[in-house]
Amino acid sequence: DQQVKQNSPSLSVQEGRISILNCDYTNSMFDYFLWYKKYPAEGPTFLISISSIKDKNEDGRFTVFLNKSAKHLSLHIVPSQPGDSAVYFCAASEASNTGKLIFGQGTTLQVKP
Amino acid sequence: DAGITQSPRYKITETGRQVTLMCHQTWSHSYMFWYRQDLGHGLRLIYYSAAADITDKGEVPDGYVVSRSKTENFPLTLESATRSQTSVYFCASSGQFNQPQHFGDGTRLSIL
Repeated sequence: DQQVKQNSPSLSVQEGRISILNCDYTNSMFDYFLWYKKYPAEGPTFLISISSIKDKNEDGRFTVFLNKSAKHLSLHIVPSQPGDSAVYFCAASEASNTGKLIFGQGTTLQVKP
Repeated sequence: DAGITQSPRYKITETGRQVTLMCHQTWSHSYMFWYRQDLGHGLRLIYYSAAADITDKGEVPDGYVVSRSKTENFPLTLESATRSQTSVYFCASSGQFNQPQHFGDGTRLSIL
């Protein structure tokens, strides 16, 4: 039973346009959400996070939106750049002191020049 | 250099053998984690540790053993490797449970 789902395995956008990556979750106990970016042969790199007390968090070109009622979060990248081409994972954790993360399957983003 | 390092980066072994993957971090982070990445599953937590000498199971712990005698090291051992354990393994650490985790570059393990 996948608690965190990224239903789009891949996404292709043109340079300069907006990239929107989506993530759905089923566990209502999740209170902290993160996005990671991963290049081939490297480990995931933290991108941006959001607490369940917020519905939006912005960091430069990256914005994460959280819709708790729909159990949905999304990552917006504006404008998209070719260097953004990577696999993006969303992750979630419960309100506990373990730090355990549950990851989605990942979405491969390709930004075309 | 400060950071988190995994060794080896690549490993090929045979079924039934014991293999240990190493993870070392220089931040003195309390929390450390082991994940495996497989197609269609994303990253799945194998074991985690909140501090030295404190470890606990994650989603997929069967067939794996961990130890944490020192804060900076968190080795993962496959006691009797099976083909289903062929995967890419990532180690991560964080200073607090509610802080982002920082990942190593992974170990690609193939079991023949």
